[in-house]
Amino acid sequence: QSALTQPASVSGSPGQSITISCTGTSSDVGSYNFVSWYQQHPGKAPKLMIYDVSKRPSGVSNRFSGSKSGNTASLTISGLQAEDEADYYCCSYAGSHVVFGGGTKLTVL
Amino acid sequence: QLQLQESGPGLVKPSETPSLTCTVSGDSISTSGYYWGWIRQPPGKGLEWIGSIYYSGSTYYNPSLKSRVTISVDTSKNQFSLKLVSVTAADTAVYYCARPRGGAYGYFDYWGQGTLVTVSS
Repeated sequence: QSALTQPASVSGSPGQSITISCTGTSSDVGSYNFVSWYQQHPGKAPKLMIYDVSKRPSGVSNRFSGSKSGNTASLTISGLQAEDEADYYCCSYAGSHVVFGGGTKLTVL
Repeated sequence: QLQLQESGPGLVKPSETPSLTCTVSGDSISTSGYYWGWIRQPPGKGLEWIGSIYYSGSTYYNPSLKSRVTISVDTSKNQFSLKLVSVTAADTAVYYCARPRGGAYGYFDYWGQGTLVTVSS
C-alpha cells in the first residue's frame, strides 16, 4: 500500500493561514471519514491535532481545522504562530490497515 | 493521566529478532474497548503503522510487515510487546507505542516518547 501524498514543505508568516493537503485514493481517504492529523516537533513524539476528518481533541487550539473532499483531506492552520513550526502527518484508515502521509514541514517565516 | 513507555535493545545486529516492550501506566491495558499499537519512524523519514492488539490477544498487522512481526500482550504486567524477525538496516527507526481510539485502526491519542532501534553489525 502507498503512503498518502503530502507536500514536502509549506511556509507562512505569523498571523497568516496555511493549508496542508493529503491526497489518497478511493481505498482510503475517499472511502472513510477516519482521517487524522499529527504535529511532530523535532525529537518529540507525534501529537494528535485532528481526528475523524474535522474533530479537535480537547486542548488543541481552534486555529487548527480539518476537512475532506473526495480523495483529498486538508489541514488548515489559521493565525500562524512560531510554535506551529513542525512536521505534520496525515493518517487514514484504509480498510484493514492504516496508512500515513509522507509528512509536511511547516516553516513559519 | 495515561502514559506509555517503550523499552528496547537500542543496537541490534542484522538477522537478529529484537523485542520491544511498551509499559502502560495510568490505566489498565485490559480496559474494555481499548487497543494498543506500534508505529515506527526511520531517521528523517515518515511514520509507518506496524500493527495493533486488543487485550484479549487479537492482532491486526500492516500487510507489508505481517510476515515478520508479532505483537503480544501481558495483562499481568500491563505491557504489550513487539517482536520483529530477522531485521535489516531498513528496520532502523524510532519505534513508538501508542493507543488507537475507535478500534484497532483508529486515531492515536496517546504516544510513548519512542525508542531508537539501530540495526548495524
